[in-house]
Amino acid sequence: RKEVEQDPGPFNVPEGATVAFNCTYSNSASQSFFWYRQDCRKEPKLLMSVYSSGNEDGRFTAQLNRASQYISLLIRDSKLSDSATYLCVVNYGQNFVFGPGTRLSVLP
Amino acid sequence: DVKVTQSSRYLVKRTGEKVFLECVQDMDHENMFWYRQDPGLGLRLIYFSYDVKMKEKGDIPEGYSVSREKKERFSLILESASTNQTSMYLCASTAPTGLGTEAFFGQGTRLTVV
Repeated sequence: RKEVEQDPGPFNVPEGATVAFNCTYSNSASQSFFWYRQDCRKEPKLLMSVYSSGNEDGRFTAQLNRASQYISLLIRDSKLSDSATYLCVVNYGQNFVFGPGTRLSVLP
Repeated sequence: DVKVTQSSRYLVKRTGEKVFLECVQDMDHENMFWYRQDPGLGLRLIYFSYDVKMKEKGDIPEGYSVSREKKERFSLILESASTNQTSMYLCASTAPTGLGTEAFFGQGTRLTVV
């Protein structure tokens, strides 16, 4: 079993749609959690950290369920510019473990 | 702004060559990482370093070595390049791990071994 698993994707959605990404992790000692965004042929960049209480940044909402070892990302009112690959990232000790990513295409 | 710089965006090397990929960060970060990214496999950790002259193997260290002689520089070495090492290589750095620590990435080096 992989340490971090994500929805396989790709997700093709129309502009304005709401889309949710799911992620599960296997290491219960994980300390910090993140969503990164990676555009085609670019490096990953931090989208948002994920906190136990859940957190929101504009159209983006992240949730963490430590008991279920589950992380989610919700994007509301999706824009063409949201098209990218979304990476779930889990940190424990000195290590960052990346999920395989879920590709999102927002269509006009 | 944190800057992580990789020495090359694109490299083409021949099988059997020794290849050096260089990474420099300007934020005095303790931790530095080398990943490779392949379609369908995501980012896989090759090596990481949490201090000068310290290194730890990641998930796929075979065929690679690293060097960290200075805090700002972390080098990845392919001792004898093979075609299965054709990939995108990404370097990252972070401050000492704490809640919410962010990993900053270089722009990536796309290596092709022919």
